Amino acid sequence: EAGVAQSPRYKIIEKRQSVAFWCNPISGHATLYWYQQILGQGPKLLIQFQNNGVVDDSQLPKDRFSAERLKGVDSTLKIQPAKLEDSAVYLCASSFGPSRTGGNSPLHFGNGTRLTVT
Amino acid sequence: QQQVKQSPQSLIVQKGGISIINCAYENTAFDYFPWYQQFPGKGPALLIAIRPDVSEKKEGRFTISFNKSAKQFSLHIMDSQPGDSATYFCAADRGSTLGRLYFGRGTQLTVWP
Repeated sequence: EAGVAQSPRYKIIEKRQSVAFWCNPISGHATLYWYQQILGQGPKLLIQFQNNGVVDDSQLPKDRFSAERLKGVDSTLKIQPAKLEDSAVYLCASSFGPSRTGGNSPLHFGNGTRLTVT
Repeated sequence: QQQVKQSPQSLIVQKGGISIINCAYENTAFDYFPWYQQFPGKGPALLIAIRPDVSEKKEGRFTISFNKSAKQFSLHIMDSQPGDSATYFCAADRGSTLGRLYFGRGTQLTVWP
């Protein structure tokens, strides 16, 4: 099966500029996640969608970050305006969602977009 | 506040040796504990996972040991190979949160020939 697709792979912007990332999940995956991975740290969840509805955005800095998942498939994550501390790899992941046996099905990650803010 | 604490930060092992990475958690609501492997320039990939109803799970050269009373779990890589050189992340999840994984800070493993 095709994996999670993300673009662009790299992005360099100046602070206060805006940037957008795109994600195409694995076909049939209802749940989509955006994670932020700062260098030397583990990924941190920013937002989780179930189909086209937001399940959890408690860790999303809503004053500058926004995300949408129109039609319940592709998703975009936007930062406006960017700050130096936003430099990180932005990972998209998807899964089938809750499993019948309880818990959640495994997450499949894309290769991420590396953002550098100068 | 780090929900999952991971150690060591880096690990160097000789080929054929055993690599051991440890994690600890505080939230007793966690009920799913996966390990992810990440190569440079790639996203994390699920390696192996365990639920708290078992104390050990083995898949090939990879074993998770789980100690519920101590709230600790560890990854053992037997017969470590240079191809295992990567960053390993432990994580924890509450089933009720539908996949919100809390990751450790990662362990960079280097296996030298």
